[in-house]
Amino acid sequence: GQNIDQPTEMTATEGAIVQINCTYQTSGFNGLFWYQQHAGEAPTFLSYNVLDGLEEKGRFSSFLSRSKGYSYLLLKELQMKDSASYLCAPMDSNYQLIWGAGTKLIIKP
Amino acid sequence: GAVVSQHPSRVICKSGTSVKIECRSLDFQATTMFWYRQFPKKSLMLMATSNEGSKATYEQGVEKDKFLINHASLTLSTLTVTSAHPEDSSFYICSAKILLAGEVDTQYFGPGTRLTVL
Repeated sequence: GQNIDQPTEMTATEGAIVQINCTYQTSGFNGLFWYQQHAGEAPTFLSYNVLDGLEEKGRFSSFLSRSKGYSYLLLKELQMKDSASYLCAPMDSNYQLIWGAGTKLIIKP
Repeated sequence: GAVVSQHPSRVICKSGTSVKIECRSLDFQATTMFWYRQFPKKSLMLMATSNEGSKATYEQGVEKDKFLINHASLTLSTLTVTSAHPEDSSFYICSAKILLAGEVDTQYFGPGTRLTVL
């Protein structure tokens, strides 16, 4: 079956760095997306990885290892507005996104 | 700026009535749109894939006669919840698969519609 594994919740301090890990099992693989979702709002696109390695986008970076079925989202210089849920969503062989429950990130001053 | 709009953002209706939710891709043509529902603190649940000019593809367990989807144009898809009941109360989110310059086909989400059925 298809499965996403992310920590349910993480806490970090403003200004610090946090890494949110994601392991996945899918039927086929066509890349992996990270989305941010603030409470009560719809998800917003953060990043896409299809090849192994690190993709950097400002304060956010995303890493992928296809052989390990593993990805992480790295957030630097955390700000209070980064408090949100972060959804790891791999795309299967049918180009369908597989959604987990996400990781709720709590930022403390 | 936003590439997908959704209307209404909130709706409260009486049990037994029907509610229509519109999803529009702004300035982009989206041949494929998706409809999700999400319960509090739960993951997104794909309800159906909407393709312009053809019938929607519903996920297992989703009643197509209850959740009517129409994708009449390349920029508009609608979801109608027919004969709504309190258990249909949820956060409904649409997304459009859009290819922006220099990026891969990516789903961009509308802001969502919070439906409350009394």
